[in-house]
Amino acid sequence: KNQVEQSPQSLIILEGKNCTLQCNYTVSPFSNLRWYKQDTGRGPVSLTIMTFSENTKSNGRYTATLDADTKQSSLHITASQLSDSASYICVVSMNSGGYQKVTFGTGTKLQVIP
Amino acid sequence: NAGVTQTPKFQVLKTGQSMTLQCAQDMNHNSMYWYRQDPGMGLRLIYYSASEGTTDKGEVPNGYNVSRLNKREFSLRLESAAPSQTSVYFCASKRGGFNQPQHFGDGTRLSIL
Repeated sequence: KNQVEQSPQSLIILEGKNCTLQCNYTVSPFSNLRWYKQDTGRGPVSLTIMTFSENTKSNGRYTATLDADTKQSSLHITASQLSDSASYICVVSMNSGGYQKVTFGTGTKLQVIP
Repeated sequence: NAGVTQTPKFQVLKTGQSMTLQCAQDMNHNSMYWYRQDPGMGLRLIYYSASEGTTDKGEVPNGYNVSRLNKREFSLRLESAAPSQTSVYFCASKRGGFNQPQHFGDGTRLSIL
């Protein structure tokens, strides 16, 4: 069964600190992995995408890594800000008969406190 | 830039009532999607439309119908609402290409009593 598991479920950190969120998946055949940020009461917004050949990609203070061999990804947030408080969702895509099938993780809820 | 617009934002229904959730996008995207988001679960696909004039079932289609009215609009209908359909519903749209992101609306929060 295609699954995407994220850890931790929730996390509280002090403003200015770094944190790393984890994503493990069993989706196959792998197409790409995307991290979304979902603010409370809003829809998810794409942060970054990783394809099979990419190991690391940065978007400002967000850095995503991908190990396609172990089927793991991480999202590292540097120098956290209050505005980083949100849920972060890992989404893995696979190709299925010419159609892209997407599996969503349950998310990690991050709270950044002053 | 409006992006993806969903209406209404909130709705309370009684069991057995019907309603239609509206979604419109102004990005000229071909593909549109309806998801539901429940506590402790990832977003689950209800229906999608790969292009104007086509619709297909997703993971959890039972109890729902959809209409791709034109390229911009994709509506979701609950014919006879049930408490199990209490959820937050998200509409998304996407440009063609496997590596393109989905663009989401801000959701409709639906409670069924």
